[in-house]
Amino acid sequence: GENVEQHPSTLSVQEGDSAVIKCTYSDSASNYFPWYKQELGKGPQLIIDIRSNVGEKKDQRIAVTLNKTAKHFSLHITETQPEDSAVYFCAASKPRNAGNMLTFGGGTRLMVKP
Amino acid sequence: DTGVSQNPRHKITKRGQNVTFRCDPISEHNRLYWYRQTLGQGPEFLTYFQNEAQLEKSRLLSDRFSAERPKGSFSTLEIQRTEQGDSAMYLCASSLMDKRETQYFGPGTRLLVL
Repeated sequence: GENVEQHPSTLSVQEGDSAVIKCTYSDSASNYFPWYKQELGKGPQLIIDIRSNVGEKKDQRIAVTLNKTAKHFSLHITETQPEDSAVYFCAASKPRNAGNMLTFGGGTRLMVKP
Repeated sequence: DTGVSQNPRHKITKRGQNVTFRCDPISEHNRLYWYRQTLGQGPEFLTYFQNEAQLEKSRLLSDRFSAERPKGSFSTLEIQRTEQGDSAMYLCASSLMDKRETQYFGPGTRLLVL
């Protein structure tokens, strides 16, 4: 089955700096890669996603890059703010006709210091 | 769009008791997923429904677990003869089987088995 590795497990940055979280996946059939933000006591909230036919996607301060050959993808957050502090999860899934079940990484706890 | 809702939000039970959780997906979402999340880990897939049909079950879903989605709307997850190892956050997500098929998560039910 699919295996998703995520690094680092914790990341501390100063407000205004950039943060980068990296994930690798094992199954070359995976074609959908969402990123979720989870705050304490809440369910994961989708922040950005990318499909395998695209190499990069950006939404304001958040960007995701995908390297299908190397089977890794990354989340980039620029101009970090204290409210960005949370746990971030990457995930991978196969085409929707295979069920689209998500396999998650272990998470990255991001702390943005004011 | 009122989002995915889950009840109860918290459940404390004694080992050996049965518990049942409910998930109400976003209306018109035809896919519904159950995941389990233990402390400090990413969510792990348990099972999913397309309308009322249960199409996939993870090996994590032992015989003590059963899920239903009788009319293709809300779903229930029952755990029989609970064990301490069942203590976790149980997350529900729903999606519309369209081009994007984003999974939206509920707030989760936190189960503690004493």
